[in-house]
Amino acid sequence: GAGVSQSPSNKVTEKGKDVELRCDPISGHTALYWYRQSLGQGLEFLIYFQGNSAPDKSGLPSDRFSAERTGGSVSTLTIQRTQQEDSAVYLCASSPPTGSSTDTQYFGPGTRLTVL
Amino acid sequence: QKEVEQNSGPLSVPEGAIASLNCTYSDRGSQSFFWYRQYSGKSPELIMFIYSNGDKEDGRFTAQLNKASQYVSLLIRDSQPSDSATYLCAVNTGGFKTIFGAGTRLFVKA
Repeated sequence: GAGVSQSPSNKVTEKGKDVELRCDPISGHTALYWYRQSLGQGLEFLIYFQGNSAPDKSGLPSDRFSAERTGGSVSTLTIQRTQQEDSAVYLCASSPPTGSSTDTQYFGPGTRLTVL
Repeated sequence: QKEVEQNSGPLSVPEGAIASLNCTYSDRGSQSFFWYRQYSGKSPELIMFIYSNGDKEDGRFTAQLNKASQYVSLLIRDSQPSDSATYLCAVNTGGFKTIFGAGTRLFVKA
């Protein structure tokens, strides 16, 4: 079946502009995660959605970052007034609805964001 | 102290040798532990997870968990050049939050 998809694959923007990154999770997966990975670094947790519950936004680095998930499926991560330090690969992952702590996360290919 | 710590490497082993990757974590309440492999420019993919103390084997891979010492390791037997990648340790601290380490780069020399 189809995996997690993300768009765009690459985004180059100017400092101060807003960007929107999109994630389509695997069909039927109720959990969706956003991570950020800077060059040579590990994954930095940003936000987590589970079904209709309130999202866990504890990882968002500033109020310039926001995310929504419409209809329990597609998610959009928005970065307002982008800064150069926002340059990174933004990864989305989804996991099955079992709710177990051992649920595997399936990652999308990521969006490489470059802020000039 | 970082919540999940890994030696960044690079760890270099000859082909056919055993590669040993280690990870320590700070939250004693952590419940499950994952090893992901990430090839350069690609997304992480799960190798295996473990949640009970002891060893768990899957093919050439063995995960080892010691909750008392708060460490988890991954052994790769008969290492192949295709195993060259960054290995990410991830820890579920309860609920759905998973904390990732920065990863260890592994090079397997042919």
